[in-house]
Amino acid sequence: DQQVKQNSPSLSVQEGRISILNCDYTNSMFDYFLWYKKYPAEGPTFLISISSIKDKNEDGRFTVFLNKSAKHLSLHIVPSQPGDSAVYFCAASATGNQFYFGTGTSLTVIP
Amino acid sequence: ETGVTQSPTHLIKTRGQQVTLRCSSQSGHNTVSWYQQALGQGPQFIFQYYREEENGRGNFPPRFSGLQFPNYSSELNVNALELDDSALYLCASSLSGGEGGELFFGEGSRLTVL
Repeated sequence: DQQVKQNSPSLSVQEGRISILNCDYTNSMFDYFLWYKKYPAEGPTFLISISSIKDKNEDGRFTVFLNKSAKHLSLHIVPSQPGDSAVYFCAASATGNQFYFGTGTSLTVIP
Repeated sequence: ETGVTQSPTHLIKTRGQQVTLRCSSQSGHNTVSWYQQALGQGPQFIFQYYREEENGRGNFPPRFSGLQFPNYSSELNVNALELDDSALYLCASSLSGGEGGELFFGEGSRLTVL
């Protein structure tokens, strides 16, 4: 059973606009969340994290929002750049050692 | 700072064989986790090693086993390979030992089982 879901397999956004990637989870015990970016033939690269004591975390162009009541998090990229084109994974953990990953959203930023 | 390195990058095995994948953790990291990523899926947790002991295991059969060495490098061993074991195997290191730290991934070892 998929505990972390990314329901949009793909997303296309114009350069300079905002990209919003969504992630839903089912386990209310999850308390730590990560976002990763993955280029083909490379391992996932860590982007940003958020713990359940916060509802927002910002790092440069990347902001993650957490809505615990809805069991939903989102990653906002502003402004989007062509180099942001990649597959984005969200991941969640309750224990801190086992992370559950979504199936990924492929983002294409159009120049 | 040296990142996570994995070897080999690609390998082909036949059903029933055994495979060993290797991982060197990022400098200063004491925890290694292994994930399996099948085509079109997200990474799935196999197990984690912290201070040379298994520190959590996902839903994988016992023929998936691991080791962590005193220098924090790690091995993943898979016995009696099955066709469904074909996947990208990712190693990730962290500082946390289960305290919610970020995972830093290597580029993976792509295993094909024929």
